[in-house]
Amino acid sequence: EAGVAQSPRYKIIEKRQSVAFWCNPISGHATLYWYQQILGQGPKLLIQFQNNGVVDDSQLPKDRFSAERLKGVDSTLKIQPAKLEDSAVYLCASSLVNGRENEQFFGPGTRLTVL
Amino acid sequence: AQKITQTQPGMFVQEKEAVTLDCTYDTSDPSYGLFWYKQPSSGEMIFLIYQGSYDQQNATEGRYSLNFQKARKSANLVISASQLGDSAMYFCAILASGTYKYIFGTGTRLKVLA
Repeated sequence: EAGVAQSPRYKIIEKRQSVAFWCNPISGHATLYWYQQILGQGPKLLIQFQNNGVVDDSQLPKDRFSAERLKGVDSTLKIQPAKLEDSAVYLCASSLVNGRENEQFFGPGTRLTVL
Repeated sequence: AQKITQTQPGMFVQEKEAVTLDCTYDTSDPSYGLFWYKQPSSGEMIFLIYQGSYDQQNATEGRYSLNFQKARKSANLVISASQLGDSAMYFCAILASGTYKYIFGTGTRLKVLA
């Protein structure tokens, strides 16, 4: 079974530029999560999708971050414009819906450096 | 609201010895799940072990076991016979029923010494 795929793995941009990250969850997983992990900290949930609907985006800085999940499968996270403090690893995860299947499976992450 | 507390920013253990990583949690939900993940320097998050709030027995997965003390709201991870490859960050997380939102702790960095 293929795991969660993310691209790119690394990205370096200058502040005020735009960047987009892509995630392809495990086939059949209804729930998709985007996390931001700043160096030395635990992952912080940015947005959570159930199929193609948003369940929770309370910690998403909506003035600069946006995310979509077209057709309930792939997802894209965008930052526009980027700030220095956006430097972090962006993790995508997916899970089934109920019970123990809520176990999340993580992708390899995208390491973003904003200069 | 849920909260996870990991009070040990860093731990050292000698190879082949056992180590306990602490995790306490706070939730008002009667049904919840507790997870431990390992994050090596490569950055991927690797699932280790799960404990449901209604599970009567402590979870075990190979060298990993979870010391679940519900009354104390603690879910400590025990790694037996530590190996050099166990050196990594370890995160505890909680998921309350009725929500699919995970809350992670700040992590514990484990270093296994040869």
